Amino acid sequence: DGGITQSPKYLFRKEGQNVTLSCEQNLNHDAMYWYRQDPGQGLRLIYYSQIVNDFQKGDIAEGYSVSREKKESFPLTVTSAQKNPTAFYLCASSQRALQETQYFGPGTRLLVL
Amino acid sequence: QQQVKQSPQSLIVQKGGISIINCAYENTAFDYFPWYQQFPGKGPALLIAIRPDVSEKKEGRFTISFNKSAKQFSLHIMDSQPGDSATYFCAASMSGGYNKLIFGAGTRLAVHP
Repeated sequence: DGGITQSPKYLFRKEGQNVTLSCEQNLNHDAMYWYRQDPGQGLRLIYYSQIVNDFQKGDIAEGYSVSREKKESFPLTVTSAQKNPTAFYLCASSQRALQETQYFGPGTRLLVL
Repeated sequence: QQQVKQSPQSLIVQKGGISIINCAYENTAFDYFPWYQQFPGKGPALLIAIRPDVSEKKEGRFTISFNKSAKQFSLHIMDSQPGDSATYFCAASMSGGYNKLIFGAGTRLAVHP
């Protein structure tokens, strides 16, 4: 059963803590993306990766970091520098970087304690 | 110029009615216009997409109308059903290079029985 999995579904962060959100895909897609979704707003791009070992900042990269060591995995770390991390985080992938259709995972909701 | 403006913010329709959501853009280089459907707590899923070489695309009860000269496109949901109740996002991107999807702010649709 192909798709994108994100874990955990809910994540709680304490002040000053770094947390890592997992994203895995078994679609053999080259490109992967991380978006942030806030209530009443569209999706905003945090980071994207067109190929293994390469990634680029999106529109709101400050306070976040990523890695792309494997084709199927694109974890996102929310660092303590991100002052307003409470949001719904969505991972997506597309077959190639020039392929317009992006497929989304189920999301992770991050809450600050 | 990179924005996609979506309206209305929320919409209430009676079962069997027509739901209409509108989007407008400025960048004439955009050449791919998808619509995504998102249920609460889930990731968005591609619903239907259109390119500027056609003025209309229909898939089942869902139709995209595209007006290139006005730089507007809209989603029509015919015979709206309670199961259509979700948030709908329009988006736009351009070919060539990294095809960043620019999302509208979303429309929350409620179909009442």
